[in-house]
Amino acid sequence: DQQVKQNSPSLSVQEGRISILNCDYTNSMFDYFLWYKKYPAEGPTFLISISSIKDKNEDGRFTVFLNKSAKHLSLHIVPSQPGDSAVYFCAASERGTSGSRLTFGEGTQLTVNP
Amino acid sequence: NAGVTQTPKFQVLKTGQSMTLQCAQDMNHEYMSWYRQDPGMGLRLIHYSVGAGITDQGEVPNGYNVSRSTTEDFPLRLLSAAPSQTSVYFCASRGGSYNSPLHFGNGTRLTVT
Repeated sequence: DQQVKQNSPSLSVQEGRISILNCDYTNSMFDYFLWYKKYPAEGPTFLISISSIKDKNEDGRFTVFLNKSAKHLSLHIVPSQPGDSAVYFCAASERGTSGSRLTFGEGTQLTVNP
Repeated sequence: NAGVTQTPKFQVLKTGQSMTLQCAQDMNHEYMSWYRQDPGMGLRLIHYSVGAGITDQGEVPNGYNVSRSTTEDFPLRLLSAAPSQTSVYFCASRGGSYNSPLHFGNGTRLTVT
């Protein structure tokens, strides 16, 4: 079963507007969440993370929100730029595994139009 | 600083052939792992290692072997390739801290015919 789900395969937004990427999870043992960004023909690169003891983490234009009761996290990009066009993966780490086993979602292709 | 280096970038195999995907990192990271990326399925963990001489299975280990004789290298072996192993393979490493993010290589695109 897919423990981390990104239900939107793609998202298209205008430059300067907000991009909101969503991720749902089912495993209540997940205690650390990360977002990775991937350009074609490259490996994923780390973007931002959040611990389950927080509900928000911000880094420049990127903010991640965690709603533990809904088992939902979201990544907000404000303002969106054409260079943000990439595939975004959310990932989760389970308590007690020391981060050894990340579980990834399917990915969302974000396209930011000039 | 090269980071995580994967070779080859592309490979075509016939069913039943064997090969080794190479992965090397120069960051002195203890933890290394292999993922495969398939359309609609995200990245799935194949095998991982928390240090030289220590390996463990991930989510989809069948058909793959690994070993970790040095801190720097973590090769992935396909003993008898199958079409279901057609995928993009990513190697990743991270430092010792639990919260440290993974550093990924640029991937190996493997096609098994």
